[in-house]
Amino acid sequence: AQSVAQPEDQVNVAEGNPLTVKCTYSVSGNPYLFWYVQYPNRGLQFLLKYITGDNLVKGSYGFEAEFNKSQTSFHLKKPSALVSDSALYFCAVRDINSGAGSYQLTFGKGTKLSVIP
Amino acid sequence: DTAVSQTPKYLVTQMGNDKSIKCEQNLGHDTMYWYKQDSKKFLKIMFSYNNKELIINETVPNRFSPKSPDKAHLNLHINSLELGDSAVYFCASSQDWASGSFLYFGAGTRLSVL
Repeated sequence: AQSVAQPEDQVNVAEGNPLTVKCTYSVSGNPYLFWYVQYPNRGLQFLLKYITGDNLVKGSYGFEAEFNKSQTSFHLKKPSALVSDSALYFCAVRDINSGAGSYQLTFGKGTKLSVIP
Repeated sequence: DTAVSQTPKYLVTQMGNDKSIKCEQNLGHDTMYWYKQDSKKFLKIMFSYNNKELIINETVPNRFSPKSPDKAHLNLHINSLELGDSAVYFCASSQDWASGSFLYFGAGTRLSVL
């Protein structure tokens, strides 16, 4: 079975400061990892993904995430937070070695990011 | 143009009623999904259809019945609504079954059962 843990329900950061939203995962095989963002009253939007290759992946809006296999982590980062980054962030995992029945993503419970002006 | 649209946006109803939520995608995708987001924001897949055929049916009460008249539409009908059904329901689509990680979500339907 695959699972995702986002240990923080909420992250507060001052505008202009760097931000990190944490994610750890568990899969039996190799992971595909994703970050999605949900703005208030909106559906989730794809932010970035790790499939293979470079451990540091860059996504939309200046976000990046680092895949760390030994720590089974995929933390989301941004060097300088904006107030407009305030949203709910979801980490998700898919085990690429699973059969068709596991092709759907497993989402974490979400982390609310609040960027304070 | 909205890629994945669902209606209604808000739905308030009494326990025991039957209601439907509609979803349409204009992306030409083959695969569509229904997700439920509970009050704690936890997101869980309910159903997935690929080319109008049911692929995933997670542990969901049989009061929930998805229907896909064509691959651009996936509607969700709920019978005998219960208080615990209150949640936000998201429709989503992906290009095909194999690319099921790259999801496009609708804006959600907030269901409140009184």
